[in-house]
Amino acid sequence: GQQVMQIPQYQHVQEGEDFTTYCNSSTTLSNIQWYKQRPGGHPVFLIQLVKSGEVKKQKRLTFQFGEAKKNSSLHITATQTTDVGTYFCAGPYGGATNKLIFGTGTLLAVQP
Amino acid sequence: NAGVTQTPKFQVLKTGQSMTLQCAQDMNHEYMSWYRQDPGMGLRLIHYSVGAGITDQGEVPNGYNVSRSTTEDFPLRLLSAAPSQTSVYFCASSPGQGTRNTIYFGEGSWLTVV
Repeated sequence: GQQVMQIPQYQHVQEGEDFTTYCNSSTTLSNIQWYKQRPGGHPVFLIQLVKSGEVKKQKRLTFQFGEAKKNSSLHITATQTTDVGTYFCAGPYGGATNKLIFGTGTLLAVQP
Repeated sequence: NAGVTQTPKFQVLKTGQSMTLQCAQDMNHEYMSWYRQDPGMGLRLIHYSVGAGITDQGEVPNGYNVSRSTTEDFPLRLLSAAPSQTSVYFCASSPGQGTRNTIYFGEGSWLTVV
């Protein structure tokens, strides 16, 4: 079945270091979304990418959608303790754009 | 504007008991869904609905029932709870399809089945 995998599962960084998480889908995606979940909280939407090769930035966060629309990445420059949480990518499930399948997530720990 | 509201926030059930997780949204979204989250498994889609009267199965529908009698409400029923259903459950809604499929999550319901 359709799968969306993320690597790494867990990353521990010192505050100020950079961080990248990678998302890989077994199928081509019409769009990809990224969510952040703080410990004990619920996932919160960060961004959506639609076009092949698209790059979007939100302050220290840079999101990329692969040329083949099967992979994506999230890069955080100079991490801060407020970046702690699990980052999920998500894409349409079974071709239906109103259902999302989520990646396995990357837990980011930031040491002050 | 409350967004997506789930109740209860915490629940302990005995094996074989039934219960309903309530979910309501006040954003007039057509699409609603239920996910469960287990450690190391990410979020898995249980059931979803594209509008009142229409529901469909997601990745892990077994052991759960849903109905959608109104746009606002989308309850999730566990007919005979099993320990494997111990999880955090998130209800979510979304305004549309395509590029309007951003999901808004409720705060979650922590369910333990003993």
